[in-house]
Amino acid sequence: EADIYQTPRYLVIGTGKKITLECSQTMGHDKMYWYQQDPGMELHLIHYSYGVNSTEKGDLSSESTVSRIRTEHFPLTLESARPSHTSQYLCASSEYRETANEKLFFGSGTQLSVL
Amino acid sequence: AQKITQTQPGMFVQEKEAVTLDCTYDTSDPSYGLFWYKQPSSGEMIFLIYQGSYDQQNATEGRYSLNFQKARKSANLVISASQLGDSAMYFCAMRDRGAQKLVFGQGTRLTINP
Repeated sequence: EADIYQTPRYLVIGTGKKITLECSQTMGHDKMYWYQQDPGMELHLIHYSYGVNSTEKGDLSSESTVSRIRTEHFPLTLESARPSHTSQYLCASSEYRETANEKLFFGSGTQLSVL
Repeated sequence: AQKITQTQPGMFVQEKEAVTLDCTYDTSDPSYGLFWYKQPSSGEMIFLIYQGSYDQQNATEGRYSLNFQKARKSANLVISASQLGDSAMYFCAMRDRGAQKLVFGQGTRLTINP
């Protein structure tokens, strides 16, 4: 049902490397989100976007940055990865609605491990 | 501000039994939506069910139903006739009409025993 894709699925990388987590959706959704989740824990919103050229920071402070140059693409970048960035990163999208019924569609996630 | 609380870190249930996962919420917005998501060990988040604050009837989707008690600010998920494949993390979430984001609870890990 959901046409939202994240790559890579798993990433193991050394400290100090620059990484980009990819997220693409084919549903034409205006809104996209990045959530961070530690194992077995709640999801924390780190970035979101209302549409092209719109990006906002979420509730959880993050050293990552995002861009939204195209509607379907919402990549997340870490300029210098650290072990504290080890986590699962979930991308989601939704169709804008005036009501509260704004269902999020999630990708499969990227499990990032920084050594 | 929106807040979601799930007080059951883990639950163990026998296969074919019904199970209720608790969720309470807090908001000052009279218009809001409540969601339940399932997260299997593979990691993806799967939407299960939605309840709007003005909906008169409790939402149902197959074996899932939402026991919505507005005065108590609770939105418990009921799974009837549980199956082994129901073993997963379950997250309650809410969105105020005026908010731009979905806020999640801490989650409940459900284990179905054969």
